[in-house]
Amino acid sequence: QKEVEQNSGPLSVPEGAIASLNCTYSDRGSQSFFWYRQYSGKSPELIMFIYSNGDKEDGRFTAQLNKASQYVSLLIRDSQPSDSATYLCAVSAAGNKLTFGGGTRVLVKP
Amino acid sequence: GAVVSQHPSWVICKSGTSVKIECRSLDFQATTMFWYRQFPKQSLMLMATSNEGSKATYEQGVEKDKFLINHASLTLSTLTVTSAHPEDSSFYICSARKDSTNTEAFFGQGTRLTVV
Repeated sequence: QKEVEQNSGPLSVPEGAIASLNCTYSDRGSQSFFWYRQYSGKSPELIMFIYSNGDKEDGRFTAQLNKASQYVSLLIRDSQPSDSATYLCAVSAAGNKLTFGGGTRVLVKP
Repeated sequence: GAVVSQHPSWVICKSGTSVKIECRSLDFQATTMFWYRQFPKQSLMLMATSNEGSKATYEQGVEKDKFLINHASLTLSTLTVTSAHPEDSSFYICSARKDSTNTEAFFGQGTRLTVV
């Protein structure tokens, strides 16, 4: 079983719609959760991080964390073609290394 | 913000030669730096964790004698791929963390290595 799992996609959404990405993790000791966006041929860039159960909103992005169910999700509202990328979920235990999921490829169609 | 600069952004080398990749934290001191490798259409795979002034900790299956990591200062870590072979061709990415309590990591631009 992979430590961090994501649906590889592609997740195809029309422009202006909401894209919903999910991520599950196996280590119950995980404390920090991150969403990165990676364009083809580029390195990942941090979108959001979340530490506590519940929702965290930043602009068009909302991260949701449920530690009891061991999942974290990312919502992208009003999706734009520029949001087309691979989204990586990463998980970390306290002060420890990041473990990445396989990534979900998102395609926003005009 | 926190800026991590990686150099070179791409390199082509002959099989059997060695290549050094540099990772610098420009506006903060990085107690910990991480080196990843990413093959096409795959996720990032952690190769090793380096802490300033100490030996790097390598992930299982990563040859420490082939991938030499040096973290001599709080702003610079280097990865040297020794005796490179075509199968070492990959996208190598470093990331840096400010301290041991802040797990947010900032990524360099990545280095595309092609071994011919």
